[in-house]
Amino acid sequence: AQTVTQSQPEMSVQEAETVTLSCTYDTSESDYYLFWYKQPPSRQMILVIRQEAYKQQNATENRFSVNFQKAAKSFSLKISDSQLGDAAMYFCASRNTGNQFYFGTGTSLTVIP
Amino acid sequence: KAGVTQTPRYLIKTRGQQVTLSCSPISGHRSVSWYQQTPGQGLQFLFEYFSETQRNKGNFPGRFSGRQFSNSRSEMNVSTLELGDSALYLCASSLRTGLNTEAFFGQGTRLTVV
Repeated sequence: AQTVTQSQPEMSVQEAETVTLSCTYDTSESDYYLFWYKQPPSRQMILVIRQEAYKQQNATENRFSVNFQKAAKSFSLKISDSQLGDAAMYFCASRNTGNQFYFGTGTSLTVIP
Repeated sequence: KAGVTQTPRYLIKTRGQQVTLSCSPISGHRSVSWYQQTPGQGLQFLFEYFSETQRNKGNFPGRFSGRQFSNSRSEMNVSTLELGDSALYLCASSLRTGLNTEAFFGQGTRLTVV
């Protein structure tokens, strides 16, 4: 089984500033993917960014980037130039060959104008 | 193109009743997975269907069941409802099965058991 841990239940950031959300995971699988999903009040889970475990290069998607430390089993999300629309619950997740997602407990991000 | 559609959006049921939730995946997608989201347990995997076959099942009692039709639409059924079944049920659709296949989630069905 895999476990995903998000130790920050809540975070806040000033608009236009940068914030980092933490995530650690544990898996015995050699082949897996890691994800960050955003869940706004509309409840729909939206993919923010994903990382293939065998790739050493950190994934980036516009203002979103990750710091993937495979040996430490750490997968943090950095949001640059935070915008009001970034306010949401953020979930870190892993996925293995069984195809199911293992989600963390989430971090609620507040963006302060 | 249309996204993942889950119906109904909200549902209130009484303990002991049964309920059926529906998920219509994105056109062409053949994999459908279901997740239960509660404040206490977070997001937990229920099951995955691919081409009408259940591929994987989470650690839920037999009261939770599902199926997938030939058009890839999926239903999940919960029998003998308990208060603890109150949750947001999310469906995710993928083109195919596999860890590198992007999953698209619906907006969920909010089930309240009273």
